[in-house]
Amino acid sequence: GAVVSQHPSWVICKSGTSVKIECRSLDFQATTMFWYRQFPKQSLMLMATSNEGSKATYEQGVEKDKFLINHASLTLSTLTVTSAHPEDSSFYICSARAPRASSYNEQFFGPGTRLTVL
Amino acid sequence: EDKVVQSPLSLVVHEGDTVTLNCSYEVTNFRSLLWYKQEKKAPTFLFMLTSSGIEKKSGRLSSILDKKELFSILNITATQTGDSAIYLCAYRTTSGTYKYIFGTGTRLKVLA
Repeated sequence: GAVVSQHPSWVICKSGTSVKIECRSLDFQATTMFWYRQFPKQSLMLMATSNEGSKATYEQGVEKDKFLINHASLTLSTLTVTSAHPEDSSFYICSARAPRASSYNEQFFGPGTRLTVL
Repeated sequence: EDKVVQSPLSLVVHEGDTVTLNCSYEVTNFRSLLWYKQEKKAPTFLFMLTSSGIEKKSGRLSSILDKKELFSILNITATQTGDSAIYLCAYRTTSGTYKYIFGTGTRLKVLA
C-alpha cells in the first residue's frame, strides 16, 4: 500500500529558530501533498496544499511567510516553520494524494511530527 | 461558510456497548464524506461515502450517508477498549484541489 513518512517524528527547538519537516511518499509519486496541524484534543486543520513544481496554496489565516512549503519533487514536500515561537507548538501531519486515486482512499497520511518550541 | 460538525465531542462507554457518532455538514460542492480513526499518530482510513443511503460495513463498524439531511453516522457495535480513539469525519469537495476539510472530532473512550 501507499506509505508516507515524515521526519523528524519529534523536534524540540528554541524560540526564534526555524524547523524543517519533511514529508515523503515512499512507494508512489505524489503530485499533491497536504499539510495539517493539530492542537491537543482538536481536529486536523488544513494549512496548505502543496503542488509539485508550483507554489503552495494556503488556507485562510495561515501565514505563508511563517510556514514555508516546498514541493521540489514528486516524492518530497517540506514544511519550514520560520522563527518558531511557543504558539507554533503543535502536531503537524502531512498527507499525499496518489496520481491515480483509488476509489476508497485518496489521501495517505504520514505519522506526524510533534513540534515543541521552548 | 462550509463547516463540518461532529457530535458528541466526547463519549465514554463500557465494553460491549454500541455507539453512534454523528457528522453533519454544510458545504458547497460536496463530493464525498470520509471517516477516519486517530489514535496516537496519523488518522487511519475507515470509510468513504459518496452515495446516500448505502451502508458501508467493516467488521463491527458501519457508516451511512444522508445527502438530503446532510449528515452521516458511524456505528460501532460491541465496543472494545481498542476502539478508544478520536473519530474524525471529513468532506471532500468537487473542486479541483481534492482537499479535505475535517470536522471537530469525537473522542471515544471505551472502559473495560
